[in-house]
Amino acid sequence: AQKVTQAQTEISVVEKEDVTLDCVYETRDTTYYLFWYKQPPSGELVFLIRRNSFDEQNEISGRYSWNFQKSTSSFNFTITASQVVDSAVYFCALSEADSSYKLIFGSGTRLLVRP
Amino acid sequence: NAGVMQNPRHLVRRRGQEARLRCSPMKGHSHVYWYRQLPEEGLKFMVYLQKENIIDESGMPKERFSAEFPKEGPSILRIQQVVRGDSAAYFCASSLTRPETVSYEQYFGPGTRLTVT
Repeated sequence: AQKVTQAQTEISVVEKEDVTLDCVYETRDTTYYLFWYKQPPSGELVFLIRRNSFDEQNEISGRYSWNFQKSTSSFNFTITASQVVDSAVYFCALSEADSSYKLIFGSGTRLLVRP
Repeated sequence: NAGVMQNPRHLVRRRGQEARLRCSPMKGHSHVYWYRQLPEEGLKFMVYLQKENIIDESGMPKERFSAEFPKEGPSILRIQQVVRGDSAAYFCASSLTRPETVSYEQYFGPGTRLTVT
């Protein structure tokens, strides 16, 4: 069965701190895709990254970085030097090759960055 | 290029009424997906449509819910005889390519918040 677990319901940090959001997934497929989305208070969903299961290279984009580890079925997201504008709910999602249009979302982690 | 448009952004319906949610995909996109987000939860897949075709409706409740994506015009998610449990945010996404392609990505709209009183 496919499943995405985001165990951290809510995280609160002070501005400029680094913060890591955890994501653990379950799938039987060998080909799958992992995503992160940001949902700011305004409610829309903003795409952050897509990763396929054959690419375990870590990715860095500005203050954002992602650590994909197949051995632990994890796809963690780190924000370096957090800012107030990073406050949002962050969702990790999974899709499998045979139904890659069907994103399976975790329950989200609410990040609050305090000034 | 305008993003995915959804309207209305907020919709209030009394129990028993019908709710119609509209989604205009990004220009040139012919694949549309609907998701539902219940309060404090992640999004759940409902249906995948291409123009005039329902590809996968495995996430749609069996009764009262229907979706279409006509040749012309927006995609419509229709909920008949709404109940309080239908209160949620409904998101539409669209894609340019088929899911199997390397560049595949779903672009999400801002969502419609449905409140059933």
